[in-house]
Amino acid sequence: ELKVEQNPLFLSMQEGKNYTIYCNYSTTSDRLYWYRQDPGKSLESLFVLLSNGAVKQEGRLMASLDTKARLSTLHITAAVHDLSATYFCAVDGFINDMRFGAGTRLTVKP
Amino acid sequence: DSGVTQTPKHLITATGQRVTLRCSPRSGDLSVYWYQQSLDQGLQFLIQYYNGEERAKGNILERFSAQQFPDLHSELNLSSLELGDSALYFCASSVDPNEQFFGPGTRLTVL
Repeated sequence: ELKVEQNPLFLSMQEGKNYTIYCNYSTTSDRLYWYRQDPGKSLESLFVLLSNGAVKQEGRLMASLDTKARLSTLHITAAVHDLSATYFCAVDGFINDMRFGAGTRLTVKP
Repeated sequence: DSGVTQTPKHLITATGQRVTLRCSPRSGDLSVYWYQQSLDQGLQFLIQYYNGEERAKGNILERFSAQQFPDLHSELNLSSLELGDSALYFCASSVDPNEQFFGPGTRLTVL
């Protein structure tokens, strides 16, 4: 059964600092997603990573995928308060069922 | 605003009842996805439809069913409701599976 583990689950950062969220998954997959969710709001698609070595960047967020290690990272550069949210990774399983990580609740403090 | 609409926004009902949640996708999107988000289970993918046909199935209970109509709107039917079914239910739509647009969600409370 496909399992997706995110860590850390909670992350408190100072503005201006860098940090990385990790997403490990247990079986082969060809598609990994990152989403953002603001408190009380819906989900927003951030990135889709489709192949080994894929790297995508948008503003202060950069996502990468290592399919051999079954690991994706979401790197935050020079965090700002507006990045405070919960971040989820999700992986497409063999039979197209998508599994989500538990989410990382990020708080960026001034 | 993603362009995906969901009704109702809130729904309060009793155990054993049946409810229907509705989703209207963005114009031109053929795929509709349903997700459940609860404190206990986290985010779970339930089911996907593409142009009226079921495309993928996730952790959807037998008490739950969905369909997509010819006008591409979708309905999620939840029956024999239990306390544990209380959750946020999101739908999303896409024309490209690599980018889904999420609706605002329906918050279901089962008392």
